[in-house]
Amino acid sequence: GNSVTQMEGPVTLSEEAFLTINCTYTATGYPSLFWYVQYPGEGLQLLLKATKADDKGSNKGFEATYRKETTSFHLEKGSVQVSDSAVYFCALSDRVDSRLTFGEGTQLTVNP
Amino acid sequence: GAVVSQHPSRVICKSGTSVKIECRSLDFQATTMFWYRQFPKKSLMLMATSNEGSKATYEQGVEKDKFLINHASLTLSTLTVTSAHPEDSSFYICSARDDGTSVYNEQFFGPGTRLTVL
Repeated sequence: GNSVTQMEGPVTLSEEAFLTINCTYTATGYPSLFWYVQYPGEGLQLLLKATKADDKGSNKGFEATYRKETTSFHLEKGSVQVSDSAVYFCALSDRVDSRLTFGEGTQLTVNP
Repeated sequence: GAVVSQHPSRVICKSGTSVKIECRSLDFQATTMFWYRQFPKKSLMLMATSNEGSKATYEQGVEKDKFLINHASLTLSTLTVTSAHPEDSSFYICSARDDGTSVYNEQFFGPGTRLTVL
């Protein structure tokens, strides 16, 4: 079956630090890959996505590249802000039935 | 962009009562919606896939008679927690797939409903 493994948290950084959250996946076929962000007390918001190998998703300074050879989709940001503090979820979508499989989530805290 | 709403955002009920949560796609049609449950500091667990005009598909271990799902229109799915007990307290999140989107099967998430059973 499909699975997503995320870097364990929590992650605490100072403002303007570089961020990497690792994500690897196991899937049959060619899934779409997503990063979602959840702010405290809220639902999930799509941060970025990639639908095929070598695609790079980007949004709000965050980037992730779909690496088929390493089955990875690591999230990066060059300079984090306090407002980036949230839980980040890596996910994949099976193209056949649209079901999303989530990683465990990584809590990010950015201190001023 | 595609917007999904949930109502209520918070609900507190007594043990043994039933609670209905609504999930609406506001500006798109959604033949397929999904219901998730999230425990504190945990990931989302898919409970069921809701299909307009047909029975929901439940994930293994989810009680169909406990969590009733109705998807009567292309913009509304409801989850009813029947005879709720304290262990049903959780954050319930729905999502919807836009019928108009194509290959990436993107889901749009509602803001969630916090259920507390006393």
